[in-house]
Amino acid sequence: DAKTTQPPSMDCAEGRAANLPCNHSTISGNEYVYWYRQIHSQGPQYIIHGLKNNETNEMASLIITEDRKSSTLILPHATLRDTAVYYCIVSTDSWGKLQFGAGTQVVVTP
Amino acid sequence: EAQVTQNPRYLITVTGKKLTVTCSQNMNHEYMSWYRQDPGLGLRQIYYSMNVEATDKGDVPEGYKVSRKEKRNFPLILESPSPNQTSLYFCASSPWTGAYEQYFGPGTRLTVT
Repeated sequence: DAKTTQPPSMDCAEGRAANLPCNHSTISGNEYVYWYRQIHSQGPQYIIHGLKNNETNEMASLIITEDRKSSTLILPHATLRDTAVYYCIVSTDSWGKLQFGAGTQVVVTP
Repeated sequence: EAQVTQNPRYLITVTGKKLTVTCSQNMNHEYMSWYRQDPGLGLRQIYYSMNVEATDKGDVPEGYKVSRKEKRNFPLILESPSPNQTSLYFCASSPWTGAYEQYFGPGTRLTVT
């Protein structure tokens, strides 16, 4: 599975959009981009996934560049409860294993 | 409520004393797996199961056993725990192998002295 690169940390003001970048320059054609988050040692929580097209759900939007080498997770209106470690994962859907990296620690401040 | 439950949530034990961490899901999911999380190493998969009576090793299976006799349960067994198995453990499930969304349990913090 392709590796991902994320900034180790970022801050965001409450109510503003949080844009989380992820670089996955070695992604292959059958690999999906997944985003999960983990709030303070709780179990990771699925946010969104995509293959080529941009995706949106009730939690976030996922923007994938045309060459698929990078993506951005957008939390449209960050709240204090969005403070968490966010993981960008690139994987095929074959075996179910999620390869978690270090993620980005996002701190939402009032 | 759809959920993955783990028991116990916290456990302190001594080296060599066999223990079992239970995992149960009420969503009729086929796929279940165990991860451990350690500082600086992230989450690593220990074992997974694609269905009843079908289990396989993940990345770090040494020192662990699993079984899948019923669809809803996937216990993690440490036959002879050692201090290097001190970790935070998560069970996860999904509707089928490779399903996009995996549901994680609340975690079990294990300390082996």
